[in-house]
Amino acid sequence: DTEVTQTPKHLVMGMTNKKSLKCEQHMGHRAMYWYKQKAKKPPELMFVYSYEKLSINESVPSRFSPECPNSSLLNLHLHALQPEDSALYLCASSQSYYGYTFGSGTRLTVV
Amino acid sequence: QKEVEQDPGPLSVPEGAIVSLNCTYSNSAFQYFMWYRQYSRKGPELLMYTYSSGNKEDGRFTAQVDKSSKYISLFIRDSQPSDSATYLCAMSEDAGNNRKLIWGLGTSLAVNP
Repeated sequence: DTEVTQTPKHLVMGMTNKKSLKCEQHMGHRAMYWYKQKAKKPPELMFVYSYEKLSINESVPSRFSPECPNSSLLNLHLHALQPEDSALYLCASSQSYYGYTFGSGTRLTVV
Repeated sequence: QKEVEQDPGPLSVPEGAIVSLNCTYSNSAFQYFMWYRQYSRKGPELLMYTYSSGNKEDGRFTAQVDKSSKYISLFIRDSQPSDSATYLCAMSEDAGNNRKLIWGLGTSLAVNP
């Protein structure tokens, strides 16, 4: 299995809602990442988990809360988002000395 | 000056053409260089991964790194309409699990039948 699976593929949520994005990989990668990507821009790093511990938080607002329940799963909990948070949210995983494997992303719209 | 510069295009070529995509960078500590392809509304897909200077070939794709000039290239031979996508370069100083990739803006490529 050489894939990173993200669910849901699309999500529309109101500014008062709470929702979660999920990511799963079975490649044995020990680093997992959340990225945010706006149209016609490169991916922007949000969080890095290494060996299930949060190792990098790129000063992301607290309305985004990551969680790594085990080495294969990564969640991103969303609460009280703003319309400007609408974007493609990408999960990725990697092993040292190799490139990242990205999921297809969750397209999030905040209304 | 941005750490990584990449012309966003768009670049339009006829089917069968040789395509050259490029990035320049300013940080001489970068050692690991990647090219990703991203189709519309999909996640980036790793095409090529190279360490330090030199060439790497995979089918119709060739990646070149010239660290002395701080310049990397991706060549696509016999381009196909299915190659139409955005191509992003990315690079990092190290290859550990906590590495941070620095990305170019991406070049939009259209291959016309």
